[in-house]
Amino acid sequence: EVQLVESGGDLVPPGRSLRLSCAASGFKFDDYAMHWVRHIPGKGLEWVSGISWNSGTIVYADSVKGRFTISRDNAKNSLYLQMNSLRTEDTALYYCAKDSTYNTSPESYMDVWGSGTTVTVSS
Amino acid sequence: DIQMTQSPSSLSASVGDRVTITCRASQSIATYLNWYQQKPGTAPKLLIHAASSLRGGVPSRFSGSGSGADFTLTISSLQPEDFATYYCQQTYSNRLTFGGGTKVEIK
Repeated sequence: EVQLVESGGDLVPPGRSLRLSCAASGFKFDDYAMHWVRHIPGKGLEWVSGISWNSGTIVYADSVKGRFTISRDNAKNSLYLQMNSLRTEDTALYYCAKDSTYNTSPESYMDVWGSGTTVTVSS
Repeated sequence: DIQMTQSPSSLSASVGDRVTITCRASQSIATYLNWYQQKPGTAPKLLIHAASSLRGGVPSRFSGSGSGADFTLTISSLQPEDFATYYCQQTYSNRLTFGGGTKVEIK
């Protein structure tokens, strides 16, 4: 069964750091690009960051650039999101999603999603 | 970044109704447009990719059309399980963006 399982969400005060993880199974992880997408309460979906199969291409949304770092460990079938200098507006349910291709290309779509991990930034 | 604008932001409809949701991009994105369905408490699910290609297993009452900057998602006969929020997403730019969503509610 193809599966993505996120972990690492927590309640943290503004300015702190958090590291999210996503464990993949049921598919050849190193054949696909991966993404983080968040769902802000009461609002919609926001793409956060994407990484190609070999980490050669990494892209961020402007709202997190310079604060968040995406990475992957293909040997461990895992995707990560290091979140620094967290703000209240980063409060969201964070999803890990599998890309349909090896790179973040125009033909891409997100065909497998995890169930999400909740990050709450509040004092 | 490419902005994606969906309309309406919400709608009320009855079972059996034909429903149309529109998505407009701030620039031409060819047909690099995907549609997702999200039900409360669950992750988004891909419905349509490349503007009009139905994902395997998705009911044929769902269809997508459009190219350039204007796109539509149509549900030909709304079913009880279709009440959800629908999002468009552009992949023309590798800085991906979603529309604001359209919540389809029961009338």
